[in-house]
Amino acid sequence: TQLLEQSPQFLSIQEGENLTVYCNSSSVFSSLQWYRQEPGEGPVLLVTVVTGGEVKKLKRLTFQFGDARKDSSLHITAAQPGDTGLYLCAGADNYGQNFVFGPGTRLSVLP
Amino acid sequence: GAGVSQSPSNKVTEKGKDVELRCDPISGHTALYWYRQSLGQGLEFLIYFQGNSAPDKSGLPSDRFSAERTGGSVSTLTIQRTQQEDSAVYLCASSLNGVKTQYFGPGTRLLVL
Repeated sequence: TQLLEQSPQFLSIQEGENLTVYCNSSSVFSSLQWYRQEPGEGPVLLVTVVTGGEVKKLKRLTFQFGDARKDSSLHITAAQPGDTGLYLCAGADNYGQNFVFGPGTRLSVLP
Repeated sequence: GAGVSQSPSNKVTEKGKDVELRCDPISGHTALYWYRQSLGQGLEFLIYFQGNSAPDKSGLPSDRFSAERTGGSVSTLTIQRTQQEDSAVYLCASSLNGVKTQYFGPGTRLLVL
């Protein structure tokens, strides 16, 4: 069974601070996705990483896929209150059809 | 369609009643997924459809849960004899076959009293 762990579980920071959240597994995934979910809504895809060692930047967000494709990190620079939400990572199996979700990191950015 | 839609958005029911949740995927998406999310938790995989068939039903928590998909489009998730522990947000997602990205609907919030 493929499992994903995320850390920290909760994170509360001040506006302007930097932060990194992690997604780890003992399993290899063909790809990994990061989602952000706001209260009362479904998760919204932020990025998909496919290649081991890949780094993707989306404005103030930097995503990295581990060389062995077992782990990933999300770094946010100069966090803003609009970044508040539940950050979920999800790994896809080799067929890209079955997805395993981590439990999420709940981020709160205080103004 | 513009995105994945789900109905109803909220459902309150009494213990023991049956409920039916509906998902309309993005037009042309062949893969469809159902997940359950309890308050403050991550997503629990329930079932996956490829077209109208469900190759993976391993996540359904009990035989009270069933799902079907017709015409390769709309899917319904049925919960029979609901229990209080069934209370959760039920999320549906769809994706293009072979594309490793899912698009989620807003969810149905189910409360079993």
